[in-house]
Amino acid sequence: EPEVTQTPSHQVTQMGQEVILRCVPISNHLYFYWYRQILGQKVEFLVSFYNNEISEKSEIFDDQFSVERPDGSNFTLKIRSTKLEDSAMYFCASTREETPNTEAFFGQGTRLTVV
Amino acid sequence: ILNVEQSPQSLHVQEGDSTNFTCSFPSSNFYALHWYRWETAKSPEALFVMTLNGDEKKKGRISATLNTKEGYSYLYIKGSQPEDSATYLCAFHTGFQKLVFGTGTRLLVSP
Repeated sequence: EPEVTQTPSHQVTQMGQEVILRCVPISNHLYFYWYRQILGQKVEFLVSFYNNEISEKSEIFDDQFSVERPDGSNFTLKIRSTKLEDSAMYFCASTREETPNTEAFFGQGTRLTVV
Repeated sequence: ILNVEQSPQSLHVQEGDSTNFTCSFPSSNFYALHWYRWETAKSPEALFVMTLNGDEKKKGRISATLNTKEGYSYLYIKGSQPEDSATYLCAFHTGFQKLVFGTGTRLLVSP
């Protein structure tokens, strides 16, 4: 069964460092997303991406964050200068269509720890 | 601010018990409600996507109902098994490529 894969599963980084979280969405999906869950809080939307452009982004997704689809298969989230409060589980998701009744497929997540 | 709430936060039942959880969401501008099952160290997995008021969906021992007028959905598990232990998340689709999640209900089923 096709699945969304994320690497690494866990990343520890020093505050102020740049990190890149990687995702391989399902191959025939066209819409890509990043969500995150800070420990003890709700899963929250960061950004959606289609046709090599950001479609929607949340208030959290400030200038420190960027997304890219560098090679037609990978979808990355970059955090330029990490802060302690960026520590969270980051989930990538993809959908075939953008309609509300379309099921989203999620990866297993990358646990980012900023120290 | 769009708010989605789930209750209870956690639940511990014995194998064979039936259980249900609630998800409440805004009753205006409804597009769809998604239910996910999330086991530790695995990907959240879609259970149901519900769009119509009065909708009732079933997958094995798990079923869900939807009331868009009053803004709630129930998830039922009949005859819980240890393998049902997971966090159950509901998510409200805003219509703009975005899911707003509830806090989740953590279910533990003891043998």
